[in-house]
Amino acid sequence: DAGVTQSPTHLIKTRGQHVTLRCSPISGHKSVSWYQQVLGQGPQFIFQYYEKEERGRGNFPDRFSARQFPNYSSELNVNALLLGDSALYLCASSTGTGLAGNEQYFGPGTRLTVT
Amino acid sequence: GQSLEQPSEVTAVEGAIVQINCTYQTSGFYGLSWYQQHDGGAPTFLSYNALDGLEETGRFSSFLSRSDSYGYLLLQELQMKDSASYFCAVRDEQAGTALIFGKGTTLSVSS
Repeated sequence: DAGVTQSPTHLIKTRGQHVTLRCSPISGHKSVSWYQQVLGQGPQFIFQYYEKEERGRGNFPDRFSARQFPNYSSELNVNALLLGDSALYLCASSTGTGLAGNEQYFGPGTRLTVT
Repeated sequence: GQSLEQPSEVTAVEGAIVQINCTYQTSGFYGLSWYQQHDGGAPTFLSYNALDGLEETGRFSSFLSRSDSYGYLLLQELQMKDSASYFCAVRDEQAGTALIFGKGTTLSVSS
């Protein structure tokens, strides 16, 4: 079975631009979470979606938005990019039921560089 | 709010045993998880403790004491491939099953 996939793998953008990152969860998983990881830090929670509904939002500005589609894939959008948005963006899927130890399955991430 | 504390770095030699501690602060507790992340890679799930005590999975074990808000990851028979970052995590009270991660412990294993 395929794991979590993300696209693109790398991206270079200029300050002020907009970016869309994509994620496909593991088949059968209905929950997708987005995390931002800057160098030397742990992943920081941005959004979680379950059954196409937003379940939670981390402490990120409104420039960050996301959605989940009927096939459970997800997009993360970031507007008006800042240099500080440069990071590894990770998508994680799970069953969403809270069982099985909250196990999250992470994709390889999208490395975003803002210049 | 929620927070987790863990050491930033640990070094050890092949074959040794190392313990990575984690203390957490959270008003609602749904268990403590551990993830491993190699440089440039995705975090991968290692273990989960919902109840007090020790959980063993091969060379790795994880311990939890809910009364002390404390847990640790124990890695035995260290191998070079265990060099990685290790994160403890708790469930985000505001967001279903999403996780709050510690800042991570970088483990360096030398020969």
